[in-house]
Amino acid sequence: GAGVSQSPSNKVTEKGKDVELRCDPISGHTALYWYRQSLGQGLEFLIYFQGNSAPDKSGLPSDRFSAERTGGSVSTLTIQRTQQEDSAVYLCASSLVGGEIYEQYFGPGTRLTVT
Amino acid sequence: QQPVQSPQAVILREGEDAVINCSSSKALYSVHWYRQKHGEAPVFLMILLKGGEQKGHDKISASFNEKKQQSSLYLTASQLSYSGTYFCGTEWIQGAQKLVFGQGTRLTINP
Repeated sequence: GAGVSQSPSNKVTEKGKDVELRCDPISGHTALYWYRQSLGQGLEFLIYFQGNSAPDKSGLPSDRFSAERTGGSVSTLTIQRTQQEDSAVYLCASSLVGGEIYEQYFGPGTRLTVT
Repeated sequence: QQPVQSPQAVILREGEDAVINCSSSKALYSVHWYRQKHGEAPVFLMILLKGGEQKGHDKISASFNEKKQQSSLYLTASQLSYSGTYFCGTEWIQGAQKLVFGQGTRLTINP
């Protein structure tokens, strides 16, 4: 079946512009996660959704970052007034239910470059 | 408090064994292991829960020492396909659904 998809795959934007990154989770997966991965670094947790609500927004780096999820499916991560330090690969993952044993399925990511 | 992985990188010949460690400064509820090949998305390998329950690959084993707050991933008779960067993700609170990942261990398998 279809996996997690993300769009765009690459985004180059000028400093100060806003960007929207999209994630389509696996159908039926109730949990959705956003991570950021800078070059050669680990995975930095940004936000987690259970259904349409976000119980944990603690990882969002600043108030320029926001995310929403509609219909328990598609999620959008928005970065306003982008800065060069926002350049990274943004990964989305989904999992079946918020139980104890859950594996996250990752999408291919969106590579964001802020010039 | 990001978990600490060791070693940071390891190079092996095909058929050799490797152990990757993940240590936390906080008590853990679960440890998750993922592998990421260059330019690809991370792929799930294993979950280990406090209390001993685990789920994962048949060919990969891992341990979870709750007292020491650490986990180890054991790769035996390594194959070329094992190459990649291995990440441990730690969950401190049951049901928190938030994984804090380590910096990764880069594993290179040579023929």
